[in-house]
Amino acid sequence: GEDVEQSLFLSVREGDSSVINCTYTDSSSTYLYWYKQEPGAGLQLLTYIFSNMDMKQDQRLTVLLNKKDKHLSLRIADTQTGDSAIYFCADISGGYNKLIFGAGTRLAVHP
Amino acid sequence: DGGITQSPKYLFRKEGQNVTLSCEQNLNHDAMYWYRQDPGQGLRLIYYSQIVNDFQKGDIAEGYSVSREKKESFPLTVTSAQKNPTAFYLCASRTSQGAIGNQPQHFGDGTRLSIL
Repeated sequence: GEDVEQSLFLSVREGDSSVINCTYTDSSSTYLYWYKQEPGAGLQLLTYIFSNMDMKQDQRLTVLLNKKDKHLSLRIADTQTGDSAIYFCADISGGYNKLIFGAGTRLAVHP
Repeated sequence: DGGITQSPKYLFRKEGQNVTLSCEQNLNHDAMYWYRQDPGQGLRLIYYSQIVNDFQKGDIAEGYSVSREKKESFPLTVTSAQKNPTAFYLCASRTSQGAIGNQPQHFGDGTRLSIL
């Protein structure tokens, strides 16, 4: 079946850029999403990209999509302590908008 | 403000007991979803409903049941048949209007269920 994989942990210094990577297996993916989860909370949609796009920028967030390699990344510029959270990559699968989630990347931002 | 409300925030279950988790949305969304989150894992789909009075099993439906009598509400019952219910449960909803990719799922704040 479809699968989404992410590295589990990333540590960056405040003010640096963070890059969170994701790979997926479904070659028919149309939309890919990034969600953020803060401790004890639900998931907050950050951004998404359509499969015919290579890049999407939204303020401090840049999403890059390499459809050939089935690789997605989320870059956070000028990372702040408030960016510390778990980031999930998700892929649409199936006709009912089922989301396949990666295990999440825990981002730790230190001074 | 429109949103998804899950209650309670914390819930404890005794052995052999059924418990029901509430999910209410005032976003006028057609589709609703229940996910289970375990530490270090992604979310796994339990049940989903695309319209009122209709719902489908997800990947891990065993030991759970749902109903969708109203558009706004999609309660999840964790039955005694679910032997490992301790997890964080998340409810989501989305509209069915517009192109499918422009209908992202929006999530509630979750219910943490533990065994007594």
